[in-house]
Amino acid sequence: DGGITQSPKYLFRKEGQNVTLSCEQNLNHDAMYWYRQDPGQGLRLIYYSQIVNDFQKGDIAEGYSVSREKKESFPLTVTSAQKNPTAFYLCATEEGPTDTQYFGPGTRLTVL
Amino acid sequence: AQSVTQLDSQVPVFEEAPVELRCNYSSSVSVYLFWYVQYPNQGLQLLLKYLSGSTLVKGINGFEAEFNKSQTSFHLRKPSVHISDTAEYFCAVRRYNQGGKLIFGQGTELSVKP
Repeated sequence: DGGITQSPKYLFRKEGQNVTLSCEQNLNHDAMYWYRQDPGQGLRLIYYSQIVNDFQKGDIAEGYSVSREKKESFPLTVTSAQKNPTAFYLCATEEGPTDTQYFGPGTRLTVL
Repeated sequence: AQSVTQLDSQVPVFEEAPVELRCNYSSSVSVYLFWYVQYPNQGLQLLLKYLSGSTLVKGINGFEAEFNKSQTSFHLRKPSVHISDTAEYFCAVRRYNQGGKLIFGQGTELSVKP
């Protein structure tokens, strides 16, 4: 959505390299999420953060790392330990009172 | 544990026909329910949500959904579809007032043909 930006839109990486995906928001939402989407599957939760300087693992955290130093930013690092990183990555924020999540435009990562 | 089942992976329909995309969920506690739409190579856009109150929820683009607690369903409907409604639709559920994870269905690909 307009209040959530993800960059870059397309990213290519060689095997064995770490890469960081950016997610920035200006919605003033406390909680932020990272999901992975593969063809024919729903979204799977990688990591989430409900407040600055705190984050929790989701269902598929292995091979990924995050940080939450600022409310506006929640970058995701895909490490070389992630065995199959080629996917579409979606960042989301959450509006507290309604528990509603809003999504960014996504980053498509391809490992060559 | 919660789960969400979207009963149809693909739904082909002709333009101006009605459509229903089916979603069932399992949960032992009260839940919030959501429908999202995703156009190719884009993020998810919120169509509508049920938090409480009236069981018939109206959303954007002429879509509506009905929460049926006894049947644990939250089917999405539109009386007359357009070519531009071609997209993937996701149903999602989360536990009431407990935050935490949003559980997604596998998605339904709606294909509107002229």
